[in-house]
Amino acid sequence: AQSVTQLGSHVSVSEGALVLLRCNYSSSVPPYLFWYVQYPNQGLQLLLKYTTGATLVKGINGFEAEFKKSETSFHLTKPSAHMSDAAEYFCAVSDSGNTPLVFGKGTRLSVIA
Amino acid sequence: GAGVSQSPRYKVAKRGQDVALRCDPISGHVSLFWYQQALGQGPEFLTYFQNEAQLDKSGLPSDRFFAERPEGSVSTLKIQRTQQEDSAVYLCASSFTRLAALSDTQYFGPGTRLTVL
Repeated sequence: AQSVTQLGSHVSVSEGALVLLRCNYSSSVPPYLFWYVQYPNQGLQLLLKYTTGATLVKGINGFEAEFKKSETSFHLTKPSAHMSDAAEYFCAVSDSGNTPLVFGKGTRLSVIA
Repeated sequence: GAGVSQSPRYKVAKRGQDVALRCDPISGHVSLFWYQQALGQGPEFLTYFQNEAQLDKSGLPSDRFFAERPEGSVSTLKIQRTQQEDSAVYLCASSFTRLAALSDTQYFGPGTRLTVL
């Protein structure tokens, strides 16, 4: 069965600093990987996803993630944090798109002015 | 509407009561998903519909949980004889895909926060 581990339940960065949110997965078949963002009192919004092809995936709001099979990782990055990036971020995995999404526990990102 | 809507947004129930949570997916979306999100946790899959067919209900925690989508549009998640451990946010999501591609982009509603006293 697939699973997701997000290291760090809370990450705090200064405005303009690099954002790095970590995600490691386990999957018995090629994974499909996702990052979702959740703002307070709102539903989850897809940031980006990897299914096949290029391992560096670009998403909305300047975020990107790189699929590294050897490290079973799919870390989310953004070069320069903005105050509006403060939210909860969830990594999710599906076994080649054939199984329901399995989410990590989430990482709360705080951005300090 | 433009997005997935859910009602009510907040529900308080006494232990033992039955509750019904409604989801209106994006018009034309074939697939519909229900998730349970406990406090401080990520969403956990409950069940999945393709049109009116419930294709996967492996995530429903007990037989007190029941979901339906009779006309392939609006869905209702019903919880009978609620227990305190049922307290969570219940999220609904829909996707356009006409295939059983569970990885297609899912659009989430704002959720219903259920508190069982």
